[in-house]
Amino acid sequence: QSALTQPASVSGSPGQSITISCTGSSSDVGRYNYVSWYQQHPGKAPKLMIYDVSNRPSGVSNRFSGSKSGNTASLTISGLQAEDEADYYCSSYTSSSTQVFGGGTKLIVL
Amino acid sequence: EVQLVQSGAEVKKPGESLRISCKGSGYSFTNNWISWVRQMPGKGLEWMGRIDPSDSHTDYSPSLQGHVIFSADKSISTAYLQWSSLKASDTAMYYCARLVYGETNRFDPWGQGTLVTVSS
Repeated sequence: QSALTQPASVSGSPGQSITISCTGSSSDVGRYNYVSWYQQHPGKAPKLMIYDVSNRPSGVSNRFSGSKSGNTASLTISGLQAEDEADYYCSSYTSSSTQVFGGGTKLIVL
Repeated sequence: EVQLVQSGAEVKKPGESLRISCKGSGYSFTNNWISWVRQMPGKGLEWMGRIDPSDSHTDYSPSLQGHVIFSADKSISTAYLQWSSLKASDTAMYYCARLVYGETNRFDPWGQGTLVTVSS
């Protein structure tokens, strides 16, 4: 199972919006609404930010939102803040009953 | 509060065996799978597989099949990841995460991670 494809890095200025893409295939992202997103700050464990494409767990800022079109899912962060600078990973369930992660995207807040 | 607490960092030599642990609390440990995730130095997350604590059924990532073993002791709400013969390439941070599934699919929460260093 190949990793999902994410851009290596994205950047934005405080207050702006950014979008991180996550491209898979018809066997994972395109087949199931089971895409989740995780935020990881340096030296910390990952934290769930979005699940089942667009659901936000309790306690996660509504500045974070998710969507999907075909084989590509997206994470959008609006009103960018310095504390959002981190690595972001997408994940999907697959038709092989396994889970797959994206390669990760480093978000830089300018 | 639902949480997973992992055992501490380990330093081992190639060829040695090792077992690390992940203890759940704040929820019914047998109601969800536990997944293990590897993060090699400076790299991304890699799904290693999962174990169902209710019956110890396991699924492994094809890339790791045969090199690691998952186990669980539901009486103490603890899952384990073990190696019989470590390699230098096993050096990584290992996370356990509760895999919530059914009409949903998500890793939440995550343990704090266990750093395994294999060096001669």
